[in-house]
Amino acid sequence: EVQLVESGGGLVRPGGSVRLSCVASGFTFDEFGMIWVRQAPGKGLEWVSGISWNGATTAYADSVKGRFVISRDNSKNSLYLEMNSLRAEDTAFYYCVRDKIGLGIPNFDSWGQGTLVTVSS
Amino acid sequence: DIQLTQSPSSLSASVGDRVTITCRASQSISTYLNWYQQRPGKAPKLLIYAASALQSGVPSRFSGSGSGTDFTLTISALQPEDFATYYCQQSYRFFRSFGQGTKVEVK
Repeated sequence: EVQLVESGGGLVRPGGSVRLSCVASGFTFDEFGMIWVRQAPGKGLEWVSGISWNGATTAYADSVKGRFVISRDNSKNSLYLEMNSLRAEDTAFYYCVRDKIGLGIPNFDSWGQGTLVTVSS
Repeated sequence: DIQLTQSPSSLSASVGDRVTITCRASQSISTYLNWYQQRPGKAPKLLIYAASALQSGVPSRFSGSGSGTDFTLTISALQPEDFATYYCQQSYRFFRSFGQGTKVEVK
């Protein structure tokens, strides 16, 4: 069974930093790209960042570019999101997501339960 | 960036109703379109990938169609557990994006 377990969320001051982690199990981690998706309370889903299977390719939403860094450690089956210069609008549940290819089309077939990051003074 | 616009933003329906949600892309994305269901307090769940392929374990009352810029998610006969919010999502670019969501509520 595929499992994705996030950790690292909590209350952070504006301008502060936090590092989210996601530990994967139940599949061969280094065969899949991985994604972070966030959802502000009561709002819709927002793609935040993605990383290829080997970490060579990364991408970021404009809203976080230059502040967030995605990375992975395939030896530890782990995905990370380093979040810097945090703002109130970064308050959200952050989901770790597997990026699977089906019929040649990438899709988000497995999701963690999410970790809440609250940015507030 | 590719923008996805869903309509309607919300709808009211009854058990047994046929429900249709549309998703329009700001440029052609072939069939690089997926659909998700999110129940309150839960993580999203993949329903349809590649515009029309049913994800394993998803009931056959869910179906998807479309290509290019216009896509549709249909629930043939709404069940109580289907009251939720539905999102489309494009994978045409590595920069992925979601529609704003459609909330299906009890009439």
